[in-house]
Amino acid sequence: GAVVSQHPSWVICKSGTSVKIECRSLDFQATTMFWYRQFPKQSLMLMATSNEGSKATYEQGVEKDKFLINHASLTLSTLTVTSAHPEDSSFYICSAYRTVGNYGYTFGSGTRLTVV
Amino acid sequence: DQQVKQNSPSLSVQEGRISILNCDYTNSMFDYFLWYKKYPAEGPTFLISISSIKDKNEDGRFTVFLNKSAKHLSLHIVPSQPGDSAVYFCAASAKSGGYQKVTFGTGTKLQVIP
Repeated sequence: GAVVSQHPSWVICKSGTSVKIECRSLDFQATTMFWYRQFPKQSLMLMATSNEGSKATYEQGVEKDKFLINHASLTLSTLTVTSAHPEDSSFYICSAYRTVGNYGYTFGSGTRLTVV
Repeated sequence: DQQVKQNSPSLSVQEGRISILNCDYTNSMFDYFLWYKKYPAEGPTFLISISSIKDKNEDGRFTVFLNKSAKHLSLHIVPSQPGDSAVYFCAASAKSGGYQKVTFGTGTKLQVIP
């Protein structure tokens, strides 16, 4: 089955530093990947859509300069949280959309970011 | 504006009985609906889906029902097992900018009591 690997699983960083989260599709090519954020006891909120070879599409209210997305290949998308602050602490999850085969989205295992 | 709503934040069911999780949506453009199961600090796991042209889809113990006129769908788990205890997210998708954009509900925490 389709597997999406997300790394790291958890990260603690100091306020003001940047953190990069990787999302890889391991056994299929994903021209489109999605980045979500989940606050405790809340829904998964779509942050942005990452398109291979082009600029990401950000949802309303998401700062594109703060959450940098790069989708350089058909199997890798990265989310960089720049100049992180404690309010950026959250659970970030990526998802890959298959272009062929069964319809469905496969999610990564998520990254718990804590900014101290 | 919450386009996908799960009005029950939690549900407790006895092992062996039926679990019914409900979901309502407002956007008539949604053409595909999905249910995901999620454990804390993990990504969602796909359970079952249904196209808007169908009213029922069954996969083992899981059945999803769709009532388009009421903009309502439900997930039935029969029989419920303790391992089913998790948060269940309803999701709906619609075409947006060349891809299917997925909107999630707020989740229902299911507890199956042994």
